[in-house]
Amino acid sequence: EIVLTQSPGTLSLSPGERATLSCRASQTVSSSSLAWYQQKRGQAPRLLIHGASSRATGIPDRFSGSGSGTDFALTISRLEPEDFAVYYCQQYGSSPRTFGQGTKVEIK
Amino acid sequence: QVQLQQWGAGLLKPSETLSLTCGVSGESFSFYYWSWIRQPPGKGLEWIGEVNDSGSSKYNPSLKSRVTISFDTSKNQVSLKLTSMTAADTAVYYCARGPRDCGSVACFSTFFDVWGRGTPVTVSS
Repeated sequence: EIVLTQSPGTLSLSPGERATLSCRASQTVSSSSLAWYQQKRGQAPRLLIHGASSRATGIPDRFSGSGSGTDFALTISRLEPEDFAVYYCQQYGSSPRTFGQGTKVEIK
Repeated sequence: QVQLQQWGAGLLKPSETLSLTCGVSGESFSFYYWSWIRQPPGKGLEWIGEVNDSGSSKYNPSLKSRVTISFDTSKNQVSLKLTSMTAADTAVYYCARGPRDCGSVACFSTFFDVWGRGTPVTVSS
């Protein structure tokens, strides 16, 4: 099973700042089969990025994904008030599908 | 636009069986995988398993002995059964759709692009 480790656990930033979230895999994630999700309190997760760097339908271009192999990142170029939430990475290169433990982006 | 509606009992006693259903509207079952994912209170996400449009299922090894995921194409519904429930199974349970990716030999599930709203399930005596 591929273990995904996200860092930092919590990111305290102000609106307008840049956020960089990390996701490191215990083994190579084949074919860059990595996705990112945003989850707000009391809601289901929402897909942001798939294939490590492809934005999902309707996702603003301030969200971008990068990386390959075992190291991946999600960048939010300028934080909007609605971006403060918990973010999860997920790999689908091998079974079982696994998620990272999440990074909380909170208002500083 | 595809929508996933979930229903099922939300309060169970230890040793009982969880039974949840996910109704799919606005979309065909074909070309997708259908998964169940759960989230314990205050914790992260755990993939439970999936079923494809051919009826083939795959499960997380940590739950494999207790879980069954199936679908009924006539009703456009996906079902989850989890036996021998304990307090550790208390969580919000989500159904989710995943596009399939087909290589030259086989098809695979991918990410989760549409989610149900989630069903809170509590196990308590």
